[in-house]
Amino acid sequence: AQKITQTQPGMFVQEKEAVTLDCTYDTSDPSYGLFWYKQPSSGEMIFLIYQGSYDQQNATEGRYSLNFQKARKSANLVISASQLGDSAMYFCAMREGSGNQFYFGTGTSLTVIP
Amino acid sequence: GAVVSQHPSRVICKSGTSVKIECRSLDFQATTMFWYRQFPKQSLMLMATSNEGSKATYEQGVEKDKFLINHASLTLSTLTVTSAHPEDSSFYICSAYGHGTDTQYFGPGTRLTVL
Repeated sequence: AQKITQTQPGMFVQEKEAVTLDCTYDTSDPSYGLFWYKQPSSGEMIFLIYQGSYDQQNATEGRYSLNFQKARKSANLVISASQLGDSAMYFCAMREGSGNQFYFGTGTSLTVIP
Repeated sequence: GAVVSQHPSRVICKSGTSVKIECRSLDFQATTMFWYRQFPKQSLMLMATSNEGSKATYEQGVEKDKFLINHASLTLSTLTVTSAHPEDSSFYICSAYGHGTDTQYFGPGTRLTVL
């Protein structure tokens, strides 16, 4: 089974609107971390936000927030007030327990429309 | 966040030559670094885990004799693509865990084109 599933290959959002990028995960380890990265056309992977499995609150970083629903095993990224510069690929990733490896989803391409 | 640099950012080489890519952690020490490969419009594929002072751990299907990894110091890991062929053309990205964090920070990547 896929560890990380991103079901939206491409998404469009109007500038200044909010958008939700979906991510579901699969693990039996009670301790894990969830991450979102942005990859613009330049190729660099930019860390956006982190959610630990034991965190009680949903993580927020500026315009980014993570809608963490543990029972559903979902960790959706919400981008508020979209900007043209938000157009990029977005990857969800997970680290299990004390392991080193990150598992990445297939990514979602976000296009912000002026 | 932690800063990871990668050099070169872009390289074009002839088939049969070897190419070395450097990955440096600039403001922290990284005992473990990771090398990924990414094909166009696809996700990152982990190639190997680079451990300072010991041999790298390669993922299944990755040829260790073709992709030589050396992690000689706490701030530098190198990936050498030996006898490169056109099918090795790809985007290679390294990463490292920030000091005391669970987050991997990535280098800017190296775009390799083998003619």
